[in-house]
Amino acid sequence: KQEVTQIPAALSVPEGENLVLNCSFTDSAIYNLQWFRQDPGKGLTSLLLIQSSQREQTSGRLNASLDKSSGRSTLYIAASQPGDSATYLCAVEGVRNTGKLIFGQGTTLQVKP
Amino acid sequence: DTEVTQTPKHLVMGMTNKKSLKCEQHMGHRAMYWYKQKAKKPPELMFVYSYEKLSINESVPSRFSPECPNSSLLNLHLHALQPEDSALYLCASSQEGVWLAKNIQYFGAGTRLSVL
Repeated sequence: KQEVTQIPAALSVPEGENLVLNCSFTDSAIYNLQWFRQDPGKGLTSLLLIQSSQREQTSGRLNASLDKSSGRSTLYIAASQPGDSATYLCAVEGVRNTGKLIFGQGTTLQVKP
Repeated sequence: DTEVTQTPKHLVMGMTNKKSLKCEQHMGHRAMYWYKQKAKKPPELMFVYSYEKLSINESVPSRFSPECPNSSLLNLHLHALQPEDSALYLCASSQEGVWLAKNIQYFGAGTRLSVL
């Protein structure tokens, strides 16, 4: 059974700092991995999707990497801003393209001005 | 337009009530999803519809009844719920097709449900 773990559970950093969020999964047979952002009481916003054949994806100040063999992904946020404060969730989709996502517990990020 | 619209935003119901949650998207997506999210927990998949047909039911109790009347609309009918069913219910949609390289899911803002 696929399990997804995110470390740390919470993170507080000063504005401008570069930071890394970690995600690990137990079954390396994945179709893709996605990083989402969720603001309190709101829905999820997809940030980056990495296909199983890819190593990384970039969007603006965000860079996500994937190492399938070791079951790890990282989300790198450069020059953090207070507006980045949110919960970040990673989710994996199994080999068959079912759309079924298994989520990690999330990392709650606070960026202090 | 990458919007998934959910109504109502908030819902309070008694354990004997019948209510429905509604989800709508106009992105031409043919896969739609219902998730349940408890406070400070990640979303848990409930149902997946693919081309208006139920493709995944994650052993959800029958007091939750999904319906997909057309490709743009997804409903979740609620009946005889329990207080522990109180949660944020999220709808999502995505393109469909095993030939697709990407399957980004777009989420609505959710319906906050309280069962008294």
